[in-house]
Amino acid sequence: GAVVSQHPSWVICKSGTSVKIECRSLDFQATTMFWYRQFPKQSLMLMATSNEGSKATYEQGVEKDKFLINHASLTLSTLTVTSAHPEDSSFYICSAGGQRETQYFGPGTRLLVL
Amino acid sequence: DQQVKQNSPSLSVQEGRISILNCDYTNSMFDYFLWYKKYPAEGPTFLISISSIKDKNEDGRFTVFLNKSAKHLSLHIVPSQPGDSAVYFCAASAYDYKLSFGAGTTVTVRA
Repeated sequence: GAVVSQHPSWVICKSGTSVKIECRSLDFQATTMFWYRQFPKQSLMLMATSNEGSKATYEQGVEKDKFLINHASLTLSTLTVTSAHPEDSSFYICSAGGQRETQYFGPGTRLLVL
Repeated sequence: DQQVKQNSPSLSVQEGRISILNCDYTNSMFDYFLWYKKYPAEGPTFLISISSIKDKNEDGRFTVFLNKSAKHLSLHIVPSQPGDSAVYFCAASAYDYKLSFGAGTTVTVRA
């Protein structure tokens, strides 16, 4: 099946720094990728839709200047958490898939902001 | 506003028995439903799906039932195996491919 990777798998950073998370589709091309975040014992919440070659579309309540998304190629999307604060600590997951029926998820990135 | 709800946070079942996971939704625009399985520190993996034009879809040990009038779907796992122990997410989609997830149900299969 299709494989989606994320890097890094976990990151610890100081408050105020920026963190970049990469999402790659390894064996297929994805014009659309999605970014989710998950708090403990809660559902995955869609943050934004990343479209190759165009601006990302953000869900209501998600600060686009805080969470910068770049979809530079058909196999790579990046999420940058700018000026991270402890409340940004979460599990971030990306997914990719051109089919409506399925999205292939990455393994996730756990971010801890001290 | 949570449009997809899984009201049972956990389920414990004996190996060999049936596991039944439930999911309710509120958005009548949803017309495609999926179940995902997730292990700790991993992303969800697709399990089974159903279109709103059907009321049942079966794949091996997994069967999903859809009751549109009740806005309810369920996942049956028969027989349950130890490897089925994981978190199961229900998800729903409308025309825009975006997925709305429930909070998940943790299934523990006892030997």
